[in-house]
Amino acid sequence: GENVEQHPSTLSVQEGDSAVIKCTYSDSASNYFPWYKQELGKGPQLIIDIRSNVGEKKDQRIAVTLNKTAKHFSLHITETQPEDSAVYFCAASFGNSGYALNFGKGTSLLVTP
Amino acid sequence: KAGVTQTPRYLIKTRGQQVTLSCSPISGHRSVSWYQQTPGQGLQFLFEYFSETQRNKGNFPGRFSGRQFSNSRSEMNVSTLELGDSALYLCASSTWMGGETQYFGPGTRLLVL
Repeated sequence: GENVEQHPSTLSVQEGDSAVIKCTYSDSASNYFPWYKQELGKGPQLIIDIRSNVGEKKDQRIAVTLNKTAKHFSLHITETQPEDSAVYFCAASFGNSGYALNFGKGTSLLVTP
Repeated sequence: KAGVTQTPRYLIKTRGQQVTLSCSPISGHRSVSWYQQTPGQGLQFLFEYFSETQRNKGNFPGRFSGRQFSNSRSEMNVSTLELGDSALYLCASSTWMGGETQYFGPGTRLLVL
């Protein structure tokens, strides 16, 4: 099946530093790319998403970039805070449907004070 | 608005039994998707329902089934449970099928003994 590769699997940064998580996808028909944050004991929470007709999107300290030609997209978190510590998942839509998502394996981010 | 609700939150079953999980989407949302989350396989798409019709299905055996009611509430059923079915089952809802944001519930934690 189609895959989404996510790197790194773990990431440790100091408070105030930036964190970058990268994903690649294989389905050229994918057109919707959300990022989710999951805290222990909770369901994934959408933090930002991007569609294939946009190259970059920013929301306060969080930004996502998309390179459709290379089939990769990245999450950038600036000025990290301890409460950013969680598992982050990237996802790509199955084809151009948008209603089913193919997820990466997740990145465990630890922000140390 | 209330978020996606899932019941029960925790469940313990034995091999060979069957189980039914319930999901109530956000009010006004008509699409409901189900995902299985395990440490080894990550988040995997099970199936998606829109207006009481299954529109897409992931790569899971026929023991996994679901349905959606006219009020958009959804249930999923797993028959003849196996140890490997132990997982967090997540439900997500969106306003319509085709590229809209999916909002996840807290999940149902199923343990099969």
